[in-house]
Amino acid sequence: DGGITQSPKYLFRKEGQNVTLSCEQNLNHDAMYWYRQDPGQGLRLIYYSQIVNDFQKGDIAEGYSVSREKKESFPLTVTSAQKNPTAFYLCASSRAVSGQGKPGELFFGEGSRLTVL
Amino acid sequence: GENVGLHLPTLSVQEGDNSIINCAYSNSASDYFIWYKQESGKGPQFIIDIRSNMDKRQGQRVTVLLNKTVKHLSLQIAATQPGDSAVYFCAEKRVFGNEKLTFGTGTRLTIIP
Repeated sequence: DGGITQSPKYLFRKEGQNVTLSCEQNLNHDAMYWYRQDPGQGLRLIYYSQIVNDFQKGDIAEGYSVSREKKESFPLTVTSAQKNPTAFYLCASSRAVSGQGKPGELFFGEGSRLTVL
Repeated sequence: GENVGLHLPTLSVQEGDNSIINCAYSNSASDYFIWYKQESGKGPQFIIDIRSNMDKRQGQRVTVLLNKTVKHLSLQIAATQPGDSAVYFCAEKRVFGNEKLTFGTGTRLTIIP
């Protein structure tokens, strides 16, 4: 079945360590996104990519890094520079071209919950 | 900056009753609005969308209403079921352009058996 796979589902990290969250999609979507969700809050955009080898900062990119070497993959690294990394991280994908289909339909993965010890 | 927000953070509804979740937006340039449902521990799922040239759109048991005059969006769920318990987010963007989706804070809907 087509979809988005995030791993790991749960991750614990010690302070000062970098961690990488995986996101893979087989929907043939051009655009991919990383969101952060804190308890009782909405989704905040970290990074997004509309095409391979290109990505843009979202609203809260500091302390995070991404790469987009393949269309299917958009890994997120939470670096030690991120002061408050404990959160629920959501990856999503969509068709990139505006005006075609549902322009706002993001397909989300199941999320990765990161806890800093 | 302009953003999307919700009136109420929580809502409890008796099973079988109708529920209404509200959302206010302030970006007058937004012309496309979406409702997402997020069940506990999962990613959000698309429910229904509406473009600004419409004021009402119906799906299966759900209706979205858009009032552009007061910049208000609502999601009506008819005959609520236990499976409707979730957090509901509204989001907005411009259809043509590279603007990103802006999500609201979310409303937690609890269906009381």
